[in-house]
Amino acid sequence: GENVEQHPSTLSVQEGDSAVIKCTYSDSASNYFPWYKQELGKGPQLIIDIRSNVGEKKDQRIAVTLNKTAKHFSLHITETQPEDSAVYFCAASISGTASKLTFGTGTRLQVTL
Amino acid sequence: KAGVTQTPRYLIKTRGQQVTLSCSPISGHRSVSWYQQTPGQGLQFLFEYFSETQRNKGNFPGRFSGRQFSNSRSEMNVSTLELGDSALYLCASSRDPQNTEAFFGQGTRLTVV
Repeated sequence: GENVEQHPSTLSVQEGDSAVIKCTYSDSASNYFPWYKQELGKGPQLIIDIRSNVGEKKDQRIAVTLNKTAKHFSLHITETQPEDSAVYFCAASISGTASKLTFGTGTRLQVTL
Repeated sequence: KAGVTQTPRYLIKTRGQQVTLSCSPISGHRSVSWYQQTPGQGLQFLFEYFSETQRNKGNFPGRFSGRQFSNSRSEMNVSTLELGDSALYLCASSRDPQNTEAFFGQGTRLTVV
């Protein structure tokens, strides 16, 4: 089955700096790649997603890039703010939807003042 | 608009007992998925229901089961609880299996002693 690896497990950046989180997947049939943000005591929240027919997608300070050949995708957060501090999860699916997602192990992002 | 509601929020059970967790999806959403979240294994897919039918199942033993009712509410049951079943159980709802946005509840924290 699908396996998703995520790095780094922890990331500390200063406010205003950029943060990059990387994931690799094993199943070349995967075609949908969402990113979730989980704050303490809450469930994961979708922040951005990308499909396999797109190489990059941006939404304000957040962007995701996908390299199908290398089977990896990355989350980029620019101009980080303290409220960006949370655990971020990447995920992959072969269904093209949020059905039966395989998640990475998570990255704890700490934005310091 | 109410979000995904999971009850109870916290549970403590003894080994060998069984437990039932409940999930009420967002109004109008008919697809419900369940995930187990643990520090060691991360988020793992349990099963997905749509229109009272199980569409997908993850790699969990038969002690884990679920169902969905005609009002889209879902329950999952774990029988013969083991210490390793201690986890945060998350429910996610979406309009239908073709929808890419899944909304997660806050989860039920199950502790097996």
